[in-house]
Amino acid sequence: AQSVTQLGSHVSVSEGALVLLRCNYSSSVPPYLFWYVQYPNQGLQLLLKYTSAATLVKGINGFEAEFKKSETSFHLTKPSAHMSDAAEYFCAVSRGGSEKLVFGKGTKLTVNP
Amino acid sequence: DGGITQSPKYLFRKEGQNVTLSCEQNLNHDAMYWYRQDPGQGLRLIYYSQIVNDFQKGDIAEGYSVSREKKESFPLTVTSAQKNPTAFYLCASSILGSGTDTQYFGPGTRLTVL
Repeated sequence: AQSVTQLGSHVSVSEGALVLLRCNYSSSVPPYLFWYVQYPNQGLQLLLKYTSAATLVKGINGFEAEFKKSETSFHLTKPSAHMSDAAEYFCAVSRGGSEKLVFGKGTKLTVNP
Repeated sequence: DGGITQSPKYLFRKEGQNVTLSCEQNLNHDAMYWYRQDPGQGLRLIYYSQIVNDFQKGDIAEGYSVSREKKESFPLTVTSAQKNPTAFYLCASSILGSGTDTQYFGPGTRLTVL
């Protein structure tokens, strides 16, 4: 079965600094990978997804993620953090077909002024 | 405006009571899902449905029940058999129910057992 590990349940950065949120997956077949964002007391919103096309995926709000098969990773980055990026971020994996999404436990991002 | 609505936003329940959470979508999606979110636990799948009048158990279905009588509606009942129901409940939908589909989420219902 596939699984997702998000390293760091809390990450804190300064405004303007690089954001790096880590996600490692386990899958026996080429995976489909997703990053979602959740603002307090709201539902989840898709940031970006990887479906075996380009390995560097660009998403909304200036975020991007790179699929690295050799490292089984799909880390999320943003060059310069904004206060509005403060939220919880979830990585998710699927093997496609009828397989359901499996979510990581989330990383809460704090942006300090 | 297309989207997913969940009601109520906050729900309080006494122990031993059943409660029903509403989820409606006007995206014309075939698949709908219910997730439970607890702090530090991520999202766990309760039930999902890929077609009207059919649904499957997810990872934590015990103590919950669902129905899918209409394409746009997928209500979740939290029964008294659910031992620890206090949580944030999220409903989602996707076009077909494939693992490659983007899931679209509602705003959630926070259930508290008193």
